[in-house]
Amino acid sequence: QVHLQESGPGLVKPSQTLSLTCTVSGGSIDSADYYWSWIRQPPGKGLEWIGYIYHSGTTSYNPSLKSPVSISIDTSKNQFSLKVSSVTAADTAVYYCVRSGNGYMYGIENWGQGALVTVSS
Amino acid sequence: QSVLTQPPSLSGAPGQRVTISCTGSSSNIGAGYAVHWYQQLPRTAPKLLISDTDNRASGVPDRFSASRSGTSASLAITGLQPEDEADYYCQSYDSSLSNSWVFGGGTKLTVL
Repeated sequence: QVHLQESGPGLVKPSQTLSLTCTVSGGSIDSADYYWSWIRQPPGKGLEWIGYIYHSGTTSYNPSLKSPVSISIDTSKNQFSLKVSSVTAADTAVYYCVRSGNGYMYGIENWGQGALVTVSS
Repeated sequence: QSVLTQPPSLSGAPGQRVTISCTGSSSNIGAGYAVHWYQQLPRTAPKLLISDTDNRASGVPDRFSASRSGTSASLAITGLQPEDEADYYCQSYDSSLSNSWVFGGGTKLTVL
């Protein structure tokens, strides 16, 4: 059974960069069968897809996001990471790393427990 | 403002049937993209209920079912139980947003 675990600072100052890492266990991240994504949920609000990365390094991001984001992958460590630049209070959220199958017909079967990141001075 | 529209809240008595709607447009649900449904219990990560419109995830009881028509989709829960009280989200993809993954705003289901 694959397990995903987010890690990173819980508090980030405005205008700085938010960095989170997702460590995957119980399965290889270097697989053509899955997409690895980040999703966030502001307190008391709904889910927002940030973007995904494929094992090859191909990425896709939500064009509606206001803050610049980037996702990277380290297959040697079985990890993928998220960076959100120039954060504001609007980036305060629980950030989930997730795994979904390669294809639109697959929903998101595996979720990390989530990491709360607060943007505040 | 979510790309997919869900009612913010619904309620039902134990044993009743409730339906949660998810309304999109011609660039997402209406374009034939798959629709997935998730359940989020308080203070937990969402859990996949149904993928690609009507495929229940492992362990999900058959009280949960989903359908779609045109630019909308819906999740039906029959024989409502207290443990069904949760937030429910629909998810699809949108060609006008570079095939971004899009979510509904979520529906809070209260079991009376």
